[in-house]
Amino acid sequence: GAGVSQSPRYKVAKRGQDVALRCDPISGHVSLFWYQQALGQGPEFLTYFQNEAQLDKSGLPSDRFFAERPEGSVSTLKIQRTQQEDSAVYLCASSLNRASATQFTDTQYFGPGTRLTVL
Amino acid sequence: KQEVTQIPAALSVPEGENLVLNCSFTDSAIYNLQWFRQDPGKGLTSLLLIQSSQREQTSGRLNASLDKSSGRSTLYIAASQPGDSATYLCAVKGSGETSGSRLTFGEGTQLTVNP
Repeated sequence: GAGVSQSPRYKVAKRGQDVALRCDPISGHVSLFWYQQALGQGPEFLTYFQNEAQLDKSGLPSDRFFAERPEGSVSTLKIQRTQQEDSAVYLCASSLNRASATQFTDTQYFGPGTRLTVL
Repeated sequence: KQEVTQIPAALSVPEGENLVLNCSFTDSAIYNLQWFRQDPGKGLTSLLLIQSSQREQTSGRLNASLDKSSGRSTLYIAASQPGDSATYLCAVKGSGETSGSRLTFGEGTQLTVNP
């Protein structure tokens, strides 16, 4: 079945370039999350959407990071003026419905990630 | 701020052994705890999710337990196989309104099962 997809899978950018990373969640999933995973570390939360509303962006490391989900489906994470410390894997996850308490609806399903390397 | 710690950081065992991975968290006010598996260069695969009101969950050779009051969870893998080799991540979801959406992850345990 169709899972969470992300594109591109790999991105190499020169320092100072802008990049845009795309996430296609599982169809019908209300909640969408972005995480950043540095090499050898666990993922760290960046931001969260419920439908098109960005309910939590407290994890975004700087104002160079911006995320949107205009129609409540596909999401884009944009990084402006990339720096070397932005090099990481960016993971997207979706879940069916945050409001429900069942195990099935609360599980976050992750995409394969986009590996960003800033030179 | 919630902090999640996983011990050990790496583990190498011969095939067939039963093993236990440990996870601890500092804030016991959690909504649920999830165990994931991550293969090199891949995303995360959810293994088990335990709600805060539950004590354990089982799936095949995997059993995860949760002791919320002491801030601990364990993942038990029975009869390990080389295909179990991966990094195992523990993540907690907070119960607060502002932090309730996010997962806070540990750094993972890198497991190698030798044939």
